[in-house]
Formats: sequence, structure tokens, C-alpha cells
Amino acid sequence: DQQVKQNSPSLSVQEGRISILNCDYTNSMFDYFLWYKKYPAEGPTFLISISSIKDKNEDGRFTVFLNKSAKHLSLHIVPSQPGDSAVYFCAARDPNAGNMLTFGGGTRLMVKP
Amino acid sequence: DTEVTQTPKHLVMGMTNKKSLKCEQHMGHRAMYWYKQKAKKPPELMFVYSYEKLSINESVPSRFSPECPNSSLLNLHLHALQPEDSALYLCASSQGREGLAKNIQYFGAGTRLSVL
Repeated sequence: DQQVKQNSPSLSVQEGRISILNCDYTNSMFDYFLWYKKYPAEGPTFLISISSIKDKNEDGRFTVFLNKSAKHLSLHIVPSQPGDSAVYFCAARDPNAGNMLTFGGGTRLMVKP
Repeated sequence: DTEVTQTPKHLVMGMTNKKSLKCEQHMGHRAMYWYKQKAKKPPELMFVYSYEKLSINESVPSRFSPECPNSSLLNLHLHALQPEDSALYLCASSQGREGLAKNIQYFGAGTRLSVL
């Protein structure tokens, strides 16, 4: 039973264009959502987060949108750069489970020069 | 500084060996985590230490034994592992459990473990 899903295993985007990575969840108790970026042979790096009481959070080229009624969040990267090529994991925090994070399966983003 | 340091980076061990993975952070974080990640899969939580006490054990086999000697260090002792235990083992830390709004987990680079 996957509570956090990233339905696109991979995404290819041209440099300079927008990358949109999607994430769906089922547990309405999740109160915080995070995006991590992972390069090969490295640990996940925290990228951006959003509280469940907000619908948008922006940090430079990265914006996360949350649609609570649809239980859907997305990460927008504008403009995309080749260095953004990595695996992106969305994670959700359950305050009723010791603030554990539940991760989605990841989306591999490839930004072509 | 958001650095979590894991050693060794790579480890090859036989099924009868005993080895340990180490994790260190100096961010004053009071929660530390062990995750296991297989190829093309998300990280799977194994253990959580909160204020040096084991708070979550996700039904991990006893051949994995965690230890938290102090608030900066986290070890994972390995004994009699199986080839299917080969994976990337990730350590993470976060500020703690005080109902923080963020409680962001910061990850180390991981230890790539191969069990022969």
C-alpha cells in the first residue's frame, strides 16, 4: 500500500524549459511535504518543502504546489538546467507516526542541453 | 552546515563477518535514522533514534543492530548478513521531535554494502 506515489519514473526536458514533477498521496494526515534530489552514489539532498496549510512555496527556480483536496503536489523547476538531472523523491511526514517520512518511488529527471 | 558523515563509503563483507557502519553529525540534531535503499527504489526506514533512545524499529531482522552512543553518533552493527541485504545504507538526522514545523531530515552520502 503506497501512501506516496510518483507515477512518472522518468522525465526528459530541454534546458531552459519548465520541469514539472508530480506526486500523489493518500494519507490525509500528512502535514508536511518535502522534495529531495539524489545524484548517483550520493545521499538525498533536501530541496524544498511545504506545509499542508499552504498551497505554494517558492525558492529560486524551485516552486512546490500543494492541492490538498486532490492530495497532489508538484515541483516546478524553471528554467531547467543540465545540473538538475537527478532522481527526485517526494516525501510526506506523518505527525502521528513519530514524524516519519514516507517516500515516493522517485522520478528521474534528465535535462538535455 | 548540514553535513551528515557516513563511513565507510563502500563495504564488502562475507555472510559470516561482523562489521559496523558509522554515522556522525554535529548539527545538534536529536533524531537520527537508518534507511536502506535498493536500486531504483525509495529509501526504506529501518530505525529511528530520538534523544539517544530507539523509538522506531521497522521490523528489521536482528542481524542488523543499531546503537546510538551519544547524540552525535549512530552505528549500525552487521552480523550474518545475507546477499539480499546488499544495498545503499543511508543515515539521516533531524532536529528532533518537539513538534517542529519542519523537522527536515538531512542525509549522509550512504554506505554501499555488498554481501558475498
